[in-house]
Amino acid sequence: DAKTTQPNSMESNEEEPVHLPCNHSTISGTDYIHWYRQLPSQGPEYVIHGLTSNVNNRMASLAIAEDRKSSTLILHRATLRDAAVYYCILRGSNSGYALNFGKGTSLLVTP
Amino acid sequence: GAGVSQSPRYKVAKRGQDVALRCDPISGHVSLFWYQQALGQGPEFLTYFQNEAQLDKSGLPSDRFFAERPEGSVSTLKIQRTQQEDSAVYLCASSLGQGANGELFFGEGSRLTVL
Repeated sequence: DAKTTQPNSMESNEEEPVHLPCNHSTISGTDYIHWYRQLPSQGPEYVIHGLTSNVNNRMASLAIAEDRKSSTLILHRATLRDAAVYYCILRGSNSGYALNFGKGTSLLVTP
Repeated sequence: GAGVSQSPRYKVAKRGQDVALRCDPISGHVSLFWYQQALGQGPEFLTYFQNEAQLDKSGLPSDRFFAERPEGSVSTLKIQRTQQEDSAVYLCASSLGQGANGELFFGEGSRLTVL
């Protein structure tokens, strides 16, 4: 399976933008880049996903490098409710049916 | 609600007991996944169903773990002769289709504690 590398933790101030990086140098051409987050004591929650082009939705933006070997999840204005573990995951025909989570990035948001 | 529902939310079992964990996916969702999440770790894949067919069970840690989805909707994860290392949160997720370009919807999980 293609693997992803994320920092263990990051910290941000409330109402500031947050850029969460992810490296996936072994990504294949059919792999989608998915981001999920998990708030304490809850199941993971879908954030965003993309293939090649940058993506925007109501929760976040996803910036994908031109060579697709890295991506960045952008939270435009962090709130205290955004404190969670963020997982960057590759999903494609070669990775089977499942999303394979790593340890993710634990985001701390301070007021 | 219309989300993925799991029961029980909490289960305490004595070592050696059998347990059954239930997952009600979102109506009409073809794909169903089970994950195991140990404390402080990310979710680990256990098994995948497409309708009633179990297409991938490569993540089941031992033959004590068994999952079924007989009518392609509700699924049950059964753990026989529970051990302390089985203590974890068991997460169920469903997805409308079976492709890689799809969102998974997770339940809140069933927390199993084996004494």
